[in-house]
Amino acid sequence: DTGVSQDPRHKITKRGQNVTFRCDPISEHNRLYWYRQTLGQGPEFLTYFQNEAQLEKSRLLSDRFSAERPKGSFSTLEIQRTEQGDSAMYLCASSPRDRTNTEAFFGQGTRLTVV
Amino acid sequence: DAKTTQPNSMESNEEEPVHLPCNHSTISGTDYIHWYRQLPSQGPEYVIHGLTSNVNNRMASLAIAEDRKSSTLILHRATLRDAAVYYCILRRPNTDKLIFGTGTRLQVFP
Repeated sequence: DTGVSQDPRHKITKRGQNVTFRCDPISEHNRLYWYRQTLGQGPEFLTYFQNEAQLEKSRLLSDRFSAERPKGSFSTLEIQRTEQGDSAMYLCASSPRDRTNTEAFFGQGTRLTVV
Repeated sequence: DAKTTQPNSMESNEEEPVHLPCNHSTISGTDYIHWYRQLPSQGPEYVIHGLTSNVNNRMASLAIAEDRKSSTLILHRATLRDAAVYYCILRRPNTDKLIFGTGTRLQVFP
C-alpha cells in the first residue's frame, strides 16, 4: 500500500465551474477525512466519514460542497459553482478503526486554483 | 474545541536538539496531545502523541507537564529534513477530527 492517494494533484478552473476531487484511502482504513488549507494557515476540518456514513460536517462546508464515500472505499469532494475563495489545498486523510486515539495518514493534497 | 498556543517560528542548527513548546491551558482530562508536522508541499505527517506520560518514538520525544497544561516536542538531533511546520493538537477520544492551529515553522541551518 502506497498511502493515501489524491487525484488530481493540481486543478485550475474558471470561476463558476464545478470540480471534483478523488481520494483513495489506505486500504482497510474505515475513517476518511477532508481538510482544506489556505496559504499560511493550518488545515481546517471539512468533513469525516466512517465507512460510507458521513458523520460530521464543518460549518465551513457550504451548500456548494458535497462529499461522498460510496461503498466505504474511495471518496469524492465536489465543489459546485467555484469561487475565487475556494482556491486552496484540499487534503484527504484516513485512519484505521480504533477505539483510542490513533494517527491519521494524509495524502499530498489537491491544489485548486480558481481564476 | 480546545486551543493550543505555539510560537510562530523557531530556528536550530543541524545536529542540535530542538525543543518545540506548546501551551494548552484549557486541556480537559481526556484530551490527547498530538503532534503532526508538514514538510513543504506535503500533507501533514504524524509525529507522536500522548496523554499523561512522556513518550518516545523513532522520530521524537514528547514531554508532558505534570499539570498537562503544556508539552514539548523534542527532536534530539535536528537534520535539514526536519525543517517543517510543527502542529500541536488536542484530540478528544470521542471525536476524530484534528483541529490545527497555525503551528511553529522550524528552520534548520547547516
